[in-house]
Amino acid sequence: DGGITQSPKYLFRKEGQNVTLSCEQNLNHDAMYWYRQDPGQGLRLIYYSQIVNDFQKGDIAEGYSVSREKKESFPLTVTSAQKNPTAFYLCASDRGGDTEAFFGQGTRLTVV
Amino acid sequence: AQSVTQLDSQVPVFEEAPVELRCNYSSSVSVYLFWYVQYPNQGLQLLLKYLSGSTLVKGINGFEAEFNKSQTSFHLRKPSVHISDTAEYFCAVSYNTDKLIFGTGTRLQVFP
Repeated sequence: DGGITQSPKYLFRKEGQNVTLSCEQNLNHDAMYWYRQDPGQGLRLIYYSQIVNDFQKGDIAEGYSVSREKKESFPLTVTSAQKNPTAFYLCASDRGGDTEAFFGQGTRLTVV
Repeated sequence: AQSVTQLDSQVPVFEEAPVELRCNYSSSVSVYLFWYVQYPNQGLQLLLKYLSGSTLVKGINGFEAEFNKSQTSFHLRKPSVHISDTAEYFCAVSYNTDKLIFGTGTRLQVFP
């Protein structure tokens, strides 16, 4: 079945450590997105990529980095520069234009 | 700046009662509108979308929404809710086929 997979579902890290969240899709979608979700703030766009080897900053890119070496994969690294990394992270993909976005099940990151 | 507003952060309702979740967007010539639902600790699932054509859009789980260009609104409605409809609902807008912009979400709580 086609879909978008995020792993792991839960992730714990010590403060000051970098951590990478995985996002893989087999929908043959060109565009992929990373969102951060905090209670009462909805979804905020971190980074997005509309084509392989290219990506753009979203509204809250500071402290995050991404890569898009393959169409299927769009990993997100939360660096030690991110001041408040504990959150629920959602990855999404779409064909671009007016098509709907498909979401992964999310990764809940807790930094202690 | 282009934006989408969900005025109600929480909507409590009794089972079998009707419900309306409000969504307003900033005006634009070309706009695509979406409603997504999120169950706890999961990703987002598309309920319905408006791209063009009929202003009344029907989605899954008995939900529908009406696009009102003059009021720049896209309110979500269901004539009779069920306990299983308890979830967070997000309105999203795409301006000129650009990336999605999400509202802050409305938590629908259905009581028996």
